[in-house]
Amino acid sequence: DAGVIQSPRHEVTEMGQEVTLRCKPISGHNSLFWYRQTMMRGLELLIYFNNNVPIDDSGMPEDRFSAKMPNASFSTLKIQPSEPRDSAVYFCASSRGPHSYEQYFGPGTRLTVT
Amino acid sequence: QQPVQSPQAVILREGEDAVINCSSSKALYSVHWYRQKHGEAPVFLMILLKGGEQKGHEKISASFNEKKQQSSLYLTASQLSYSGTYFCGTEKGSGNTGKLIFGQGTTLQVKP
Repeated sequence: DAGVIQSPRHEVTEMGQEVTLRCKPISGHNSLFWYRQTMMRGLELLIYFNNNVPIDDSGMPEDRFSAKMPNASFSTLKIQPSEPRDSAVYFCASSRGPHSYEQYFGPGTRLTVT
Repeated sequence: QQPVQSPQAVILREGEDAVINCSSSKALYSVHWYRQKHGEAPVFLMILLKGGEQKGHEKISASFNEKKQQSSLYLTASQLSYSGTYFCGTEKGSGNTGKLIFGQGTTLQVKP
């Protein structure tokens, strides 16, 4: 099993630019989670999907953030326009179900907005 | 709403034991434990469910006191590979949300 795949691994962009982060979950997993990790705020859940449907997006910081899951094998997290405070490591995780199952994290995307 | 972990950091010698605690102000359905090494992604350790069921695949034990809304992770005979930051993630009382709220983490350093 290839595990959760994220791309890019590193992204450096200028304030105001659009950023798109990509995630391929583990095949057969029905739930997908997007997290953001910073020193100040720790590991925060942004949004999660079950069977490609967004279930809870209450952690999405503001309208500049959007996430989609067009099919069971692909999800994107988009930030438009990006700001320096968005700099963080963004993790995608997948699991067999939405609750009480272990989550498998991808390697993360380190985003730096200058 | 974020669970509180204690201690924030601990330094051990190989072979020593450690306990990491996680407490919540909300009724819990489950507690999840993850370990993250520097520069890497969090890795699943264990799930403890309301009612006593446990799911895990490492030689690490844990407890879940539903009444006190607390969980403890027990690391015995620590090895160098145990070094990292340990996070507890809590799932609220209804158990059907799928939403984990993670604590701030406990950094464990095991020295030779």
